[in-house]
Amino acid sequence: ETGVTQTPRHLVMGMTNKKSLKCEQHLGHNAMYWYKQSAKKPLELMFVYSLEERVENNSVPSRFSPECPNSSHLFLHLHTLQPEDSALYLCASSQDWGASSTDTQYFGPGTRLTVL
Amino acid sequence: AQSVTQPDIHITVSEGASLELRCNYSYGATPYLFWYVQSPGQGLQLLLKYFSGDTLVQGIKGFEAEFKRSQSSFNLRKPSVHWSDAAEYFCAVGDFGNEKLTFGTGTRLTIIP
Repeated sequence: ETGVTQTPRHLVMGMTNKKSLKCEQHLGHNAMYWYKQSAKKPLELMFVYSLEERVENNSVPSRFSPECPNSSHLFLHLHTLQPEDSALYLCASSQDWGASSTDTQYFGPGTRLTVL
Repeated sequence: AQSVTQPDIHITVSEGASLELRCNYSYGATPYLFWYVQSPGQGLQLLLKYFSGDTLVQGIKGFEAEFKRSQSSFNLRKPSVHWSDAAEYFCAVGDFGNEKLTFGTGTRLTIIP
């Protein structure tokens, strides 16, 4: 496979469940991102990892827990979510992150999450 | 703080007609500007980007955009749309030095025969 892949593509979970979203990039990039896309709202950057270290956390509630075990994989662990967390969660990657970097971000297809 | 405004929530265009999608940004320095397209059920695909140099930028699928500093705009254009162009289009501004992208709310494009 090429590009950025995400699994599952669709997920329905109850508020007491624990689930994880997975992202894998096959581009040899060093930076990975989680975004939240809600209806009628701009994409919201949630987390950024650069070389497996978290470099950005945009005031995301602790019920979302990211994990980056290596530069190709990114997870978003979910627990005790709320219905308002229902959204499309997009993963992206870019070559690098940081000063002087103008790298393009490449997006995966997203995971459509529904919280009941 | 940087921001992006896409004033048109939904645009309908006849197949073969020309298209212009508007994007206005607010940013303190020279912006890095992007247009992405999202087809139903898909992630975002980069159409084109502007970092510096020529203010008219060519992208994929026959799209182009023009950076106008005086108007703080980066409008996307296509001379003749195809039914396959129906999608949602997002303009974004990049923050030099840390890769953070600020997106607009998107413009949904419908193509009628």
